[in-house]
Amino acid sequence: DGGITQSPKYLFRKEGQNVTLSCEQNLNHDAMYWYRQDPGQGLRLIYYSQIVNDFQKGDIAEGYSVSREKKESFPLTVTSAQKNPTAFYLCASSSSGSSGNTIYFGEGSWLTVV
Amino acid sequence: AQSVAQPEDQVNVAEGNPLTVKCTYSVSGNPYLFWYVQYPNRGLQFLLKYITGDNLVKGSYGFEAEFNKSQTSFHLKKPSALVSDSALYFCAVRAPYGNNRLAFGKGNQVVVIP
Repeated sequence: DGGITQSPKYLFRKEGQNVTLSCEQNLNHDAMYWYRQDPGQGLRLIYYSQIVNDFQKGDIAEGYSVSREKKESFPLTVTSAQKNPTAFYLCASSSSGSSGNTIYFGEGSWLTVV
Repeated sequence: AQSVAQPEDQVNVAEGNPLTVKCTYSVSGNPYLFWYVQYPNRGLQFLLKYITGDNLVKGSYGFEAEFNKSQTSFHLKKPSALVSDSALYFCAVRAPYGNNRLAFGKGNQVVVIP
């Protein structure tokens, strides 16, 4: 099946730890995105990448890092510098070339600090 | 920068009645507008989008939306709501050029009462 796969679905992080959320897509999309969702705040853009080996900060990039070494993969690392990381994280992808292209989402990953 | 307002936190509707979820937007230039639905603990599913052309856009699961440029609105509608339509609905807008990030509203919780 074509789609976006996020793993793990649930992740627990101890204080001071870095954790990495995986995102893989087989839609042959050039652009990939990471969003954070908190209750009542909608979705906020963390990082996005429009092409392999290139990425840009979104609105809330502090405490996060990404890489884009392969077209299919866009992992997100939540570092210990992120002071309030408990949230639902959504990976997404789209074709590039037009702002009218639809952005498709994965099923999300829950990160909880324990 | 582009933005979206979804003025109602929750919309309650009886099963079988018409459903409307309101959205107004702000963007430079002609907007690209999207609606997504999210079920609990899941990612966002694409419902429909307006790029250009007919102001009435038809989408998945019997939903439609009407683009109104003068009122800068893009309300989501369904003629007869089902209990299974109970979910969180997000409106989003993207500018056609420049900073063309997808900006989301805070979401509307729809509750369809049997």
